[in-house]
Amino acid sequence: AQSVTQLDSQVPVFEEAPVELRCNYSSSVSVYLFWYVQYPNQGLQLLLKYLSGSTLVKGINGFEAEFNKSQTSFHLRKPSVHISDTAEYFCAVSVMSGAQKLVFGQGTRLTINP
Amino acid sequence: NAGVTQTPKFQVLKTGQSMTLQCAQDMNHNSMYWYRQDPGMGLRLIYYSASEGTTDKGEVPNGYNVSRLNKREFSLRLESAAPSQTSVYFCASSRSFDQPQHFGDGTRLSIL
Repeated sequence: AQSVTQLDSQVPVFEEAPVELRCNYSSSVSVYLFWYVQYPNQGLQLLLKYLSGSTLVKGINGFEAEFNKSQTSFHLRKPSVHISDTAEYFCAVSVMSGAQKLVFGQGTRLTINP
Repeated sequence: NAGVTQTPKFQVLKTGQSMTLQCAQDMNHNSMYWYRQDPGMGLRLIYYSASEGTTDKGEVPNGYNVSRLNKREFSLRLESAAPSQTSVYFCASSRSFDQPQHFGDGTRLSIL
């Protein structure tokens, strides 16, 4: 079975500062990795995904993530955040076969202070 | 550009009542999913349908049933609602196992 741990439940940062949201996963088989964002009272939207190839993945809104197989991590980064990035962020994994049964982390609430 | 549509958006039930949550997607996706979201626990998969005509249990199926009515629609039924089922329910769909899921805006369900 797969599991996902998001190491920080809340991350406060100042506007224009860099941010890193941490995600570690556990799996005995190869996985696909995703980051989703949830704005208040909305569903989840895909930020980026890692399926294969380059370990540095670029997504929407200036976010990027790096897949590190040896450390089983998929941390999300942005060099300069904006007030509009205030949201909850979820890391998720799925196995590389069958239906895409996503296993989500607990979520990290990112708060941007002016 | 409707994507995934969930109805209703809000609902309050009494313990023991039954209810069906509706979900429809217009993207011709093969797979559909039902999740529940609880504070501090992320999203947990209740049931999924890999393709039309098939359904399977996810991580937390107890107390729920599903129906894949056709390729577009996937409903979630609570036969006898319990306070522990108070949650936000999300429906999602995807084209295939390596494509991202598209989510609806959720149904906020309270059971008293």
